[in-house]
Amino acid sequence: DAKTTQPNSMESNEEEPVHLPCNHSTISGTDYIHWYRQLPSQGPEYVIHGLTSNVNNRMASLAIAEDRKSSTLILHRATLRDAAVYYCILRYGYNQGGKLIFGQGTELSVKP
Amino acid sequence: SQTIHQWPATLVQPVGSPLSLECTVEGTSNPNLYWYRQAAGRGLQLLFYSVGIGQISSEVPQNLSASRPQDRQFILSSKKLLLSDSGFYLCAWSVKRDRVYEQYFGPGTRLTVT
Repeated sequence: DAKTTQPNSMESNEEEPVHLPCNHSTISGTDYIHWYRQLPSQGPEYVIHGLTSNVNNRMASLAIAEDRKSSTLILHRATLRDAAVYYCILRYGYNQGGKLIFGQGTELSVKP
Repeated sequence: SQTIHQWPATLVQPVGSPLSLECTVEGTSNPNLYWYRQAAGRGLQLLFYSVGIGQISSEVPQNLSASRPQDRQFILSSKKLLLSDSGFYLCAWSVKRDRVYEQYFGPGTRLTVT
């Protein structure tokens, strides 16, 4: 599985946008970029995924660099409930039953 | 809608005792199922995954085992617990959507081995 690199922690103010970066310089052409987040004492939850084009959903936006070697998860207006560990994961679309290999993620803290 | 259940929510067991954690999924058929463990701090470790009844793939060697006796039931077991087995155990299921699998996690079981 291709490796991702994320900052260990980030801080944000409530109601401001947050840009969470992820580097994946060894990404292959068939790797999808997934983002999950884990709130305290809960299991991870799916946030968004993409391949080449930028993606938007009700939770966040995913901006993917043109060379696909990096991506950014964008929370448009951070709330206190967005404080969590955010994981950027690369997965080949059909590989091995959809298993995910989690890294250490970025711990996002949101200040009121 | 789909729901995933895990029990118990918390468990305290002595070293050397057996373990059985159960996970069931409702509202879907033939899901892929997964067991993860999260030790203190961050980092989820994939332990087992299953693509069908009786089909189990082990990701790491350890004193744990998994079984899938029914389509929507996934069980994690141990004959003799070690102190290092303490952690937060998460079951997940996945569905294929837009050529990728999205995973959905259960509420977890917090296991303390004393």
